[in-house]
Amino acid sequence: DAGVIQSPRHEVTEMGQEVTLRCKPISGHDYLFWYRQTMMRGLELLIYFNNNVPIDDSGMPEDRFSAKMPNASFSTLKIQPSEPRDSAVYFCASSLYSEPANEQYFGPGTRLTVT
Amino acid sequence: ELKVEQNPLFLSMQEGKNYTIYCNYSTTSDRLYWYRQDPGKSLESLFVLLSNGAVKQEGRLMASLDTKARLSTLHITAAVHDLSATYFCAVDGLWTGTASKLTFGTGTRLQVTL
Repeated sequence: DAGVIQSPRHEVTEMGQEVTLRCKPISGHDYLFWYRQTMMRGLELLIYFNNNVPIDDSGMPEDRFSAKMPNASFSTLKIQPSEPRDSAVYFCASSLYSEPANEQYFGPGTRLTVT
Repeated sequence: ELKVEQNPLFLSMQEGKNYTIYCNYSTTSDRLYWYRQDPGKSLESLFVLLSNGAVKQEGRLMASLDTKARLSTLHITAAVHDLSATYFCAVDGLWTGTASKLTFGTGTRLQVTL
């Protein structure tokens, strides 16, 4: 398996622009997670899905952020409009919920820079 | 709310030395995960600890779990430069109804010097 795939790997955009990050989870996994990592705040869980349904979006910072999972093999995280404070590395992770463990597998991340 | 604390946050150690990273968590959980992150890279799973007293070893790293003390340790034996990375522990919400969700610690940045 190719693992979790994210695109783009790097994104530089100007403040006010719309940004869309993409993720393809590992085939067969039923959970998908979006994280954000910054030096100041560490690793934060933004939202996660189970079987394409959003379960918990309490970590989404504000209404400018939205996430969708239209099918089992694709998810997007959109920021509109983007702001400089959104600059971070965004990771997507997936897992297959099973006993006894619930290991998450991370994608390579998208480094977002908003100028 | 489940909280996970790691210490130290930063560790500089010489090659050949031993040291331990500590991970404390705030609520009952029987499952703890250790991840490694190299600079500019993603997180890679190292260990999954599933019960009280569990011990896992891989090379110079050994992880253990004490669920009664809500403590996990990651012990480094005879450190080598290749172990330089940031190490995260994470706990799932098994007993809080969110078993699928991991709460991560702040990470410990390990720097092994020659």
